[in-house]
Amino acid sequence: EDKVVQSPLSLVVHEGDTVTLNCSYEVTNFRSLLWYKQEKKAPTFLFMLTSSGIEKKSGRLSSILDKKELFSILNITATQTGDSAIYLCAVDTQGGSEKLVFGKGTKLTVNP
Amino acid sequence: NAGVMQNPRHLVRRRGQEARLRCSPVKGHSHVYWYRQLPEEGLKFMVYLQKENIIDESGMPKERFSAEFPKEGPSILRIQQVVRGDSAAYFCASSPPGQRSTSGANVLTFGAGSRLTVL
Repeated sequence: EDKVVQSPLSLVVHEGDTVTLNCSYEVTNFRSLLWYKQEKKAPTFLFMLTSSGIEKKSGRLSSILDKKELFSILNITATQTGDSAIYLCAVDTQGGSEKLVFGKGTKLTVNP
Repeated sequence: NAGVMQNPRHLVRRRGQEARLRCSPVKGHSHVYWYRQLPEEGLKFMVYLQKENIIDESGMPKERFSAEFPKEGPSILRIQQVVRGDSAAYFCASSPPGQRSTSGANVLTFGAGSRLTVL
């Protein structure tokens, strides 16, 4: 069965800290990995990663994929209280099904 | 351009009643997905539909749950004879046709969810 594991499950930091969120996966026929941010509403798309070693960047957020070791990290530098959310990692697989397989998420709390 | 619209946002039902959750996808999106999120759990796939067709319902319980996406109108997730274990947030997502082949991944746009509480 396809599996996505995120760590840590929760994290509390102070504003200005840098955080690294981890996502490892075991899936058949990997196609891509996606990161979403979930606040008290709809999960919103952050990044899609398909190739190893290529960093995706958006402001203070960046992410990279390692297809050999089967993991991805999401980095947030100079955290702000508005970064507080659940960060979800999901894997898209090749083949018939178009479903995404999600991890449990990392709950990030940024305190002022 | 409205995103994925779900209603109701909150629904309270007593055990044995029926729950109907509605989802209007992004305009132009013909693929709809339903996911369930239990407390402290990630999003679990339930069903994937295209207009008038169920494509993959492998994540949906065989009994009491059904889904449809008619030619006209929103997609409906229906839960009959609800039990306490059905209490969860139900998220709908949509994507345009052919996205996987053009972008290399199935990037879903999610709605804000419908939170079902069964008393």
